[in-house]
Amino acid sequence: AQKVTQAQTEISVVEKEDVTLDCVYETRDTTYYLFWYKQPPSGELVFLIRRNSFDEQNEISGRYSWNFQKSTSSFNFTITASQVVDSAVYFCALSGGETGANNLFFGTGTRLTVIP
Amino acid sequence: DGGITQSPKYLFRKEGQNVTLSCEQNLNHDAMYWYRQDPGQGLRLIYYSQIVNDFQKGDIAEGYSVSREKKESFPLTVTSAQKNPTAFYLCASKGWQPNQPQHFGDGTRLSIL
Repeated sequence: AQKVTQAQTEISVVEKEDVTLDCVYETRDTTYYLFWYKQPPSGELVFLIRRNSFDEQNEISGRYSWNFQKSTSSFNFTITASQVVDSAVYFCALSGGETGANNLFFGTGTRLTVIP
Repeated sequence: DGGITQSPKYLFRKEGQNVTLSCEQNLNHDAMYWYRQDPGQGLRLIYYSQIVNDFQKGDIAEGYSVSREKKESFPLTVTSAQKNPTAFYLCASKGWQPNQPQHFGDGTRLSIL
């Protein structure tokens, strides 16, 4: 069974602080894909990043960075020098297998509030 | 611009009434999905379709129905059998490769009158 756990329900930081959002997953698939999405107050889900299970290289994109560790089944997301515009709910998601519907399994989300 | 369009943005349902939420995509994606989001919770899958004229139940399909007559369109009907329909509904679509992300519409917020 697929499962994604985001233990942090809400996080508040002061602007310019760094913040890390945790994501732990469970899957029996040998090939799987991990995603992070951002949901701003307007409601739409915005795709941020995808990581394949066979690619453990960490990635940095501007102020965003992602740390994928298969040994601990974690895919954590760090925002450096946070800004008010980063305030949103962030979802980690997992899909598995090489074929099939590749349905997404979502965590319950982490609400990030950046205080000016 | 390519994307997913959901309408209406807000919808109100009376007791015993069926309502239909629209989802249209021009991304040429084969797969489409409907999710329900309740306050403070993650997304739960209602129905999905991998190809025209075919769809499968997700985790919470009871009280909902869908159709997939065209590749571009995947409407969701919330029937009177759904006793707690108040929620935020999101539609998504995805290309055929397993590692492609799902792309989402702006959502429809459904409330009971």
